[in-house]
Amino acid sequence: GAGVSQSPSNKVTEKGKDVELRCDPISGHTALYWYRQSLGQGLEFLIYFQGNSAPDKSGLPSDRFSAERTGGSVSTLTIQRTQQEDSAVYLCASSAGQGNSNQPQHFGDGTRLSIL
Amino acid sequence: AQSVTQLDSHVSVSEGTPVLLRCNYSSSYSPSLFWYVQHPNKGLQLLLKYTSAATLVKGINGFEAEFKKSETSFHLTKPSAHMSDAAEYFCVVKDFNKFYFGSGTKLNVKP
Repeated sequence: GAGVSQSPSNKVTEKGKDVELRCDPISGHTALYWYRQSLGQGLEFLIYFQGNSAPDKSGLPSDRFSAERTGGSVSTLTIQRTQQEDSAVYLCASSAGQGNSNQPQHFGDGTRLSIL
Repeated sequence: AQSVTQLDSHVSVSEGTPVLLRCNYSSSYSPSLFWYVQHPNKGLQLLLKYTSAATLVKGINGFEAEFKKSETSFHLTKPSAHMSDAAEYFCVVKDFNKFYFGSGTKLNVKP
């Protein structure tokens, strides 16, 4: 079956531009997560959506970062006025479970963002 | 909050020898635990998960992990390494709706 799909796979843009990254989760998965993985670093949590609940935005590093999830499915992560330190791989994951279920996350292949 | 410690940032083994990747976690109750693998330029792939049904968990590609509550450990093992196992491995704890990732262990397999 189809897994988590992210687009674009690579994005190169100039400093100061806005970028949008897209994530299509697995159909029926209610939970969706965004992470950032900088070179040689682990995964940094950014934001979490669960169904129709208010998202957990506690990991967003600045107000230049925002995300939305339309219709409980596709999600878009937007970075405004990009900076060079925003260069990283942005990973999206979805999960079927909520609460204390032991359902794992399923990851997309990520978007590699490079800021010139 | 939960935390996960992967004790080795790099592990190097020879092909055909055993693999041991160590993971310790902090938790006030019985956690949900996972191991993921990440190959270069790819997302994370689930290797196995601990569901509390059995302390020894078998995953894909011959990997296993043993949950030891008394030691708060969930080490990943494989009896015989293959060149294709070279990748980065992440130990993950789930606490309610959040997943907490270890810093990763890079596995190098020498011919």
